[in-house]
Amino acid sequence: EVQLVESGGGLVQPGGSLRLSCAASGFTFSSYEMNWVRQAPGKGLEWVSYISSSGSTIYYADSVKGRFTISRDNAKNSLYLQMNSLRAEDTAVYYCARASGGYDLTAFDIWGQGTMVTVSS
Amino acid sequence: EIVLTQSPDFQSVTPKEKVTITCRASQSIGSSLHWYQQKPDQSPKLLIKYASQSISGVPSRFSGSGSGTDFTLTINSLEAEDAAAYYCHQSSSLPITFGQGTRLEIK
Repeated sequence: EVQLVESGGGLVQPGGSLRLSCAASGFTFSSYEMNWVRQAPGKGLEWVSYISSSGSTIYYADSVKGRFTISRDNAKNSLYLQMNSLRAEDTAVYYCARASGGYDLTAFDIWGQGTMVTVSS
Repeated sequence: EIVLTQSPDFQSVTPKEKVTITCRASQSIGSSLHWYQQKPDQSPKLLIKYASQSISGVPSRFSGSGSGTDFTLTINSLEAEDAAAYYCHQSSSLPITFGQGTRLEIK
């Protein structure tokens, strides 16, 4: 079964750090581009970051640039999001999402169940 | 940044009705527009990619159309299980953006 499972969420104080992980299974992880997308409580979806299949190309939303770092370990079938200098507005469910393959940044065809990050004192 | 504006924000509909949700882009995005369904306490699910391409396993009552700046998601013969939020998403250019969502309530 094709699956993405996030972990690492939790409660953190403003200014703190957290590292999210996303474990992939059921497909050749190293062949796919990946993304992080977040959703604040009761709100819509917000794209956070993209990484190419090899890890050589990376993009960030302006709201997290300079604070968050996306990475991947294809040998471990894992995607990561290192989040530093966290703010209250980073509070959200964080999803990892697989890019389906296409001629541009493309659709997200597989999503994890999400992990909740709460930034509060 | 490309802004996607969905309408309506909310719609209450009866089973077997036909539903149309629109997504308007602030500039032309070709056909780089995708649709997702998100049920309460679930992760989003891809319904349609590249404006009109169907996705394996998605019921045939879901269809998409449009290009450029105006796109439509149509649900024919709505079922109770279609109660959810629906989002459009553009992959034409960075930053990737989503519409604000349309919540469908089944009467």
